Amino acid sequence: EAGVAQSPRYKIIEKRQSVAFWCNPISGHATLYWYQQILGQGPKLLIQFQNNGVVDDSQLPKDRFSAERLKGVDSTLKIQPAKLEDSAVYLCASSLSSGRGSSYNEQFFGPGTRLTVL
Amino acid sequence: GIQVEQSPPDLILQEGANSTLRCNFSDSVNNLQWFHQNPWGQLINLFYIPSGTKQNGRLSATTVATERYSLLYISSSQTTDSGVYFCAVDQGAQKLVFGQGTRLTINP
Repeated sequence: EAGVAQSPRYKIIEKRQSVAFWCNPISGHATLYWYQQILGQGPKLLIQFQNNGVVDDSQLPKDRFSAERLKGVDSTLKIQPAKLEDSAVYLCASSLSSGRGSSYNEQFFGPGTRLTVL
Repeated sequence: GIQVEQSPPDLILQEGANSTLRCNFSDSVNNLQWFHQNPWGQLINLFYIPSGTKQNGRLSATTVATERYSLLYISSSQTTDSGVYFCAVDQGAQKLVFGQGTRLTINP
């Protein structure tokens, strides 16, 4: 079974530029997550989708970050304009769970995109 | 929100040694996962263990949900075990909250 796919693996941009990341979850997984991992810290949830709807985006800096999952499968995360403090690894994860209360919600992570903002 | 604390923050061992990593959490949880982040940054699932004990080869984990902690045991360490180990908990909304990690270095 293929794992979570992400691209690109690395990206270097200047501050105030825009950037987009792509994620394809494990086939059949209803829930998709984007996490931000700053160097030396644990990942922090940015946004959670259930199929193509947003469940939680309370920690997404909406003035510059946006995300979509149009057909309930793959997803894109965009930053516009980027700031120096956005330098981090952006991790996508997915889980099989079909809704709140589901007991099967183990999350599986992709390889991440390492973003450097200069 | 829930607090997740991992200890020790850093651990340096010789190959063949055993180790115990601890994860404390401040509130009841529905789900707890242990991950290994390898030097390339990939998070590898080790255990999905909201309660009880599980074993997988040289690794085992125990979660005592009533006392709000989990332990990860690594026996006969190998250099490939090096990396950062994360504990992450979910209180029922399917959102994982991660600890700060334990950085394990296994020297040959």
